[in-house]
Amino acid sequence: GENVEQHPSTLSVQEGDSAVIKCTYSDSASNYFPWYKQELGKGPQLIIDIRSNVGEKKDQRIAVTLNKTAKHFSLHITETQPEDSAVYFCADKEGNNDMRFGAGTRLTVKP
Amino acid sequence: DVKVTQSSRYLVKRTGEKVFLECVQDMDHENMFWYRQDPGLGLRLIYFSYDVKMKEKGDIPEGYSVSREKKERFSLILESASTNQTSMYLCASLGGRIYGYTFGSGTRLTVV
Repeated sequence: GENVEQHPSTLSVQEGDSAVIKCTYSDSASNYFPWYKQELGKGPQLIIDIRSNVGEKKDQRIAVTLNKTAKHFSLHITETQPEDSAVYFCADKEGNNDMRFGAGTRLTVKP
Repeated sequence: DVKVTQSSRYLVKRTGEKVFLECVQDMDHENMFWYRQDPGLGLRLIYFSYDVKMKEKGDIPEGYSVSREKKERFSLILESASTNQTSMYLCASLGGRIYGYTFGSGTRLTVV
């Protein structure tokens, strides 16, 4: 299937700063965009998701924005903390089709 | 909460061995998936299943097979393990009203 491009591959920020991870998808029929966080030694866990009828969604320090015209969606983490350090994956999905994942972003939050 | 359990966290196998990776989910989900995760390549779909005894090839099925004899269990089989199958293997399930996947903790397989 068509891939999801994710940038950057690594991101290092100072504690308290914001972090932004961006993904681009190619299938205009995609209608579901989740973000997963994978901590060391664990499987990915869903942290936030957005559907194509919504432009932005927030959950405390985490937000996701979707630009359907440009086929971009982004994860925003504000007031980062060391425990935010992990690998983050974006994905897209259309209907019953399989989920397509980005290559991941390793976020490091320095105390 | 849905729980997806992978039977082994770490495995070391020899080249040519037949390897079984087991995955069990406890929420009566119809859909189950096997991915492998490699640095810089993200998650790549090996096989998936939408129902008991049903299986479909994903993007990289070569060298693998699967078995789904019961709804809750989805097994990945490496018929003859090779060193290029050294990887992290992730099982996931999907069903009910949950739209996103639920992943297991992963099995890190090393083939020597």
